[in-house]
Amino acid sequence: GNSVTQMEGPVTLSEEAFLTINCTYTATGYPSLFWYVQYPGEGLQLLLKATKADDKGSNKGFEATYRKETTSFHLEKGSVQVSDSAVYFCARSSGGTSYGKLTFGQGTILTVHP
Amino acid sequence: NAGVTQTPKFQVLKTGQSMTLQCAQDMNHNSMYWYRQDPGMGLRLIYYSASEGTTDKGEVPNGYNVSRLNKREFSLRLESAAPSQTSVYFCASSVRPDEEKLFFGSGTQLSVL
Repeated sequence: GNSVTQMEGPVTLSEEAFLTINCTYTATGYPSLFWYVQYPGEGLQLLLKATKADDKGSNKGFEATYRKETTSFHLEKGSVQVSDSAVYFCARSSGGTSYGKLTFGQGTILTVHP
Repeated sequence: NAGVTQTPKFQVLKTGQSMTLQCAQDMNHNSMYWYRQDPGMGLRLIYYSASEGTTDKGEVPNGYNVSRLNKREFSLRLESAAPSQTSVYFCASSVRPDEEKLFFGSGTQLSVL
């Protein structure tokens, strides 16, 4: 079946540090890949997406590249800010007719200190 | 803009009690979803409604029922709550069934004692 695996957290960084959160997915079908972010006390919101191999999604300084050969979609940011502290979820679609049924990873807690 | 609104935000139940979680969206979306979020497990789909008048089971439907009351509202009912249903529940919506961008509510934290 479909699954998504994220790196174990929590991740703690100092402001302006480089961020990588690893994500791998099962290679069934032709999924779209997503990163969602959940700020404290809020629901998840879409951060970025990529719909096919070699696509790069980007938003708010975050980037992730759809790597079919390694079945990965790692999230990166060159210089994190305190305001980036949140929980980050990697997700994939079913591929094909998905009816919005996303499969989520377990989430990675990021804390950024001043 | 309100987006997706869930009530209540917090709830404590005793084993065997029933309750309904309410969800409403004001974005004129066709599709709505209920997820539960458990530590270390990410979000799992309980039920979804592709369009008004239809509902279908997701990955973990046992112990739950849903009602798509109208286009705006999608409720989740626990008929006889169990401790295993202690979780955070999220409602979400999307423009159409095959749209993969979901809009989430802020969640309901439910504890079953």
